[in-house]
Amino acid sequence: GAGVSQSPSNKVTEKGKDVELRCDPISGHTALYWYRQSLGQGLEFLIYFQGNSAPDKSGLPSDRFSAERTGGSVSTLTIQRTQQEDSAVYLCASSLVLVRGVGAQNNSPLHFGNGTRLTVT
Amino acid sequence: DAKTTQPTSMDCAEGRAANLPCNHSTISGNEYVYWYRQIHSQGPQYIIHGLKNNETNEMASLIITEDRKSSTLILPHATLRDTAVYYCIVRVERRSGYSTLTFGKGTMLLVSP
Repeated sequence: GAGVSQSPSNKVTEKGKDVELRCDPISGHTALYWYRQSLGQGLEFLIYFQGNSAPDKSGLPSDRFSAERTGGSVSTLTIQRTQQEDSAVYLCASSLVLVRGVGAQNNSPLHFGNGTRLTVT
Repeated sequence: DAKTTQPTSMDCAEGRAANLPCNHSTISGNEYVYWYRQIHSQGPQYIIHGLKNNETNEMASLIITEDRKSSTLILPHATLRDTAVYYCIVRVERRSGYSTLTFGKGTMLLVSP
């Protein structure tokens, strides 16, 4: 079946402009994650969604970053007033349902898209 | 913070087994160990995961020590296409009660002819 799809694959924008990045998760996956990866660095967790629950936004670096997930499927990550330090690859991942609570360890692997490479000039 | 430590880089000859070590000395009893790899310009690819027992799939084998403080990913017959950054990850419980993957720097595996 189709994997996680992200668009656009590349985005160049001017400093100060807003950008929207899109993620289509694997069908049936109720958990969706956003990460970003700066050049030569590891992955930095940003936000995740699980079903209709409130998202965990604890990884968002500033209030210029926001994300939504419509209908429990497609997600959009929005960066307002972009800065040069926002330049990175933004990766989306999805997985099967999470189980909440200590001891209820979810072991469903995350499946990643190929990311959107954002360049802020 | 990542709960794992890995060597920065490793080399392997094509056709030989690649053994990638990982230390996770603070792992909790219910935390799984995951391995992903990332080839240049692609998203991370899931390889394998395990809790206590050794695991094997079509891509690799995962050997977890009895005390669970370390593990080894084995690629039995490395090919040039296995050149990638390999991440060993312990799934972390967040304050929200859900868990996510926290990636460290990984091991850059270079497979040479």
